[in-house]
Amino acid sequence: KQEVTQIPAALSVPEGENLVLNCSFTDSAIYNLQWFRQDPGKGLTSLLLIQSSQREQTSGRLNASLDKSSGRSTLYIAASQPGDSATYLCAVRHNNAGNMLTFGGGTRLMVKP
Amino acid sequence: GAGVSQSPSNKVTEKGKDVELRCDPISGHTALYWYRQSLGQGLEFLIYFQGNSAPDKSGLPSDRFSAERTGGSVSTLTIQRTQQEDSAVYLCASSWGGQGAGYTFGSGTRLTVV
Repeated sequence: KQEVTQIPAALSVPEGENLVLNCSFTDSAIYNLQWFRQDPGKGLTSLLLIQSSQREQTSGRLNASLDKSSGRSTLYIAASQPGDSATYLCAVRHNNAGNMLTFGGGTRLMVKP
Repeated sequence: GAGVSQSPSNKVTEKGKDVELRCDPISGHTALYWYRQSLGQGLEFLIYFQGNSAPDKSGLPSDRFSAERTGGSVSTLTIQRTQQEDSAVYLCASSWGGQGAGYTFGSGTRLTVV
């Protein structure tokens, strides 16, 4: 059974810092990995999607890497801003029957002005 | 539509009543998923529809939960005889169904059973 773990569970940083969120998964048989952002009381907003054949994806101040063989992904946020405060979730899509996403528990990020 | 639409956004119901939650996926997306997020918890898979195939119901927590998808588009999640532990945010997502497809989520329905 696929298990996805995110570390740290919570993170508080001053504005302007560069930071790294970690995601690990136990089964490397995946199609892709997706990073989401969730604001309190809201749905999920997709940030980056990395296919299993890719090593990284970038969007603005965000960069996500994928090392499928070791079961790890990182989300790098450059020059953090208070507006980045949210919960960040990673999810892997299995390539077995069902094709469901398995989510990590999330990292709750607070960026202080 | 431009995104995944869910209704209602909030629902308060009395214990024992039935509720229906609706999801309108992105036009052309063949895959549709329901997830549940309880307070302070992670996302729990409920059910998955792909085209005309039989749905994957392996995540439904009890036989009080059911879902259907009419015409390959709109989906309805029904919870019968609601219990307080059913209180959660119910999230719907859709994708175009290909192996490399990402998911687009709706804003969710917050269900409160009193």
